[in-house]
Amino acid sequence: ILNVEQSPQSLHVQEGDSTNFTCSFPSSNFYALHWYRWETAKSPEALFVMTLNGDEKKKGRISATLNTKEGYSYLYIKGSQPEDSATYLCAFLDSSYKLIFGSGTRLLVRP
Amino acid sequence: DVKVTQSSRYLVKRTGEKVFLECVQDMDHENMFWYRQDPGLGLRLIYFSYDVKMKEKGDIPEGYSVSREKKERFSLILESASTNQTSMYLCASSRTGADREKLFFGSGTQLSVL
Repeated sequence: ILNVEQSPQSLHVQEGDSTNFTCSFPSSNFYALHWYRWETAKSPEALFVMTLNGDEKKKGRISATLNTKEGYSYLYIKGSQPEDSATYLCAFLDSSYKLIFGSGTRLLVRP
Repeated sequence: DVKVTQSSRYLVKRTGEKVFLECVQDMDHENMFWYRQDPGLGLRLIYFSYDVKMKEKGDIPEGYSVSREKKERFSLILESASTNQTSMYLCASSRTGADREKLFFGSGTQLSVL
C-alpha cells in the first residue's frame, strides 16, 4: 500500500516566523511530487510540481526541496504572513500515474 | 486561467436519496477526477476519467457511479445516499502529459446526508 505522510498535522506560528513541514513518500516508482495550497472556502491550488532528485523550487516566500532517494520533500515558508494560513497538501505520483495525497498540514499564522 | 466549476457549494440530502454532483471544466482537459476529503485523511480518489464515456474506479468507488458524456463535464452520482457519504467532494481536471499531471480543482461541495 502506497503511503504519503505529512507532518506535522497542524502548526500555529506567529507572523514573521519561518516554518517548514515534511512530506514522506515511497522512494520507488517515483514520477513526481506535487504540493498544493488549500485555503478555506477556496480551491486547492498547485504550488509546485517536482520531478528530479535534488530539485528546489521557489515561489515568493515559499520554497520546496525534493529527495527522491530517501523519499521526502520539505516545504519552507519564510516570514509567514496571515494570508499563508491554509492546508498544505503533498501528493506522490508514481510511474503508473497514480496520485496519492497526504492528509495535509494545517498552518495557522497569527498576526 | 483554468476554471473547474462545481454546481453546489453546500448540499443537504436525506438517506436513500439519489444525489448528483456536477463538475465542469473549461480548458479542454482530457482527465477528470472526483475526490472526497474527510478530516484526518488525505484526498481519496473515488473515480476518474481519461476520456469521454470512459471511467475508471479509484480507491473508494463503492456507493458511487460517474458519467462523462461530454469532455467538459464529469458527474458523480450517489445512487442511494448514506450518512457515511457525508463529506467534502472535490472535482479536479488535468491535461495528459502536461506538467506531470498537475491538477486543477473546483472549490468543493460539502455534502451532508441526514
